[in-house]
Amino acid sequence: QVQLQESGPGLVKPSETLSLTCTVSGGSISSYYWSWIRQPAGKGLECIGRIYTSGSANYNPSLKSRVTMLVDTSKNQFSLKLSSVTAADTAVYYCARGVGWEPRFDYWGQGTLVTVSS
Amino acid sequence: QSVLTQPPSASGTPGQRVTISCSGSSSNIGNNNVNWYQQLPGTAPKLLIYSNNQRPSGVPDRFSGSKSGTSASLGISGLQSEDEADYYCAAWDDSLNGVVFGGGTKLTVL
Repeated sequence: QVQLQESGPGLVKPSETLSLTCTVSGGSISSYYWSWIRQPAGKGLECIGRIYTSGSANYNPSLKSRVTMLVDTSKNQFSLKLSSVTAADTAVYYCARGVGWEPRFDYWGQGTLVTVSS
Repeated sequence: QSVLTQPPSASGTPGQRVTISCSGSSSNIGNNNVNWYQQLPGTAPKLLIYSNNQRPSGVPDRFSGSKSGTSASLGISGLQSEDEADYYCAAWDDSLNGVVFGGGTKLTVL
């Protein structure tokens, strides 16, 4: 059974960089799209971007200038960096596995709350 | 404001059938597959329907999906109390070159 687990600081100061890692277990990281999706409290889902195991990535245009995603196939991990954060970036961040080109996210992490505050 | 438009709420009584709509444009639903997610309170979303009308293993056949033009629908028949959740549609958007979600529909079982 494939499992995804997010890890990283739960509190980030304004203007600093949010860094999260997603560790994939129970299956190979190869040949899938790996995404980061966030959800502010009481609001809907927003796809931050996704990265293929080749390293090719697509980012949400509204966040593109601040986002970097990387994949480490040797560790079965992928990561997210979001720079210059503000309170508007406070949300639950999920990592998810995507099958094929369409947004078919079949496995999700449990989510991790990241709060941006001084 | 979400790229895909869903009604903010829907409701039904046990045993009823409800439908949740998702409206988009030619750059997303009109040219790409639609996927649906169910999010129970305090949990991660769960894939409910993929490729417009396909159910992953383990999803009851009470859940169905359809697509026509630039709109899609999720149908839930034989409504049960455990179906009370938030439902989201999602699709690839060719213009934005990214995944877009609907704003979500909160389903209440009366």
